[in-house]
Amino acid sequence: DTAVSQTPKYLVTQMGNDKSIKCEQNLGHDTMYWYKQDSKKFLKIMFSYNNKELIINETVPNRFSPKSPDKAHLNLHINSLELGDSAVYFCASSPPLGTHRETQYFGPGTRLLVL
Amino acid sequence: GIQVEQSPPDLILQEGANSTLRCNFSDSVNNLQWFHQNPWGQLINLFYIPSGTKQNGRLSATTVATERYSLLYISSSQTTDSGVYFCAGGNTGRRALTFGSGTRLQVQP
Repeated sequence: DTAVSQTPKYLVTQMGNDKSIKCEQNLGHDTMYWYKQDSKKFLKIMFSYNNKELIINETVPNRFSPKSPDKAHLNLHINSLELGDSAVYFCASSPPLGTHRETQYFGPGTRLLVL
Repeated sequence: GIQVEQSPPDLILQEGANSTLRCNFSDSVNNLQWFHQNPWGQLINLFYIPSGTKQNGRLSATTVATERYSLLYISSSQTTDSGVYFCAGGNTGRRALTFGSGTRLQVQP
């Protein structure tokens, strides 16, 4: 059973295109995240959703728009892709507050290459 | 925001050796986690350890919250331990993690 899944795993596209990445978790968690890992392996939070509500938006360009249709899904749409958007995008999820264990579980990542 | 500093940045070990990785935080955190990113890119959670000591097989971790640092111990290293080890911290209210820049470990046979 895949706990946190992402599609697609690889995405190669041209500058200026619009693309979406999908994430689903079957862990019953209520908080989901998008992280970006750059070419130097540095991981940085982009967005966080709790119970479908946006709670963190970390100075990410407006071209990036997350959407959470329900607690188990968090999608990321990117408009007008730029070369600098090339990176690995990780989705993650964590259990509800009060469980005394906020372990984050990561998906396999989506490797985006913008040409 | 919180700054996370990891050391050493790179580490090469012979199989069977032990090592200690360190993580310092610029501010207090009540959510501290260690991850291993394997050579295929998968991020695996090793420990959720805001304080105290935990052990899992050949790995153990200790966090001294009052002094804002955490240590990850790897004993009897194996080639499968190779990859990048990240520590990350945050606070309950914000929930997102701030990651360190990682320790790249290579275990040679």
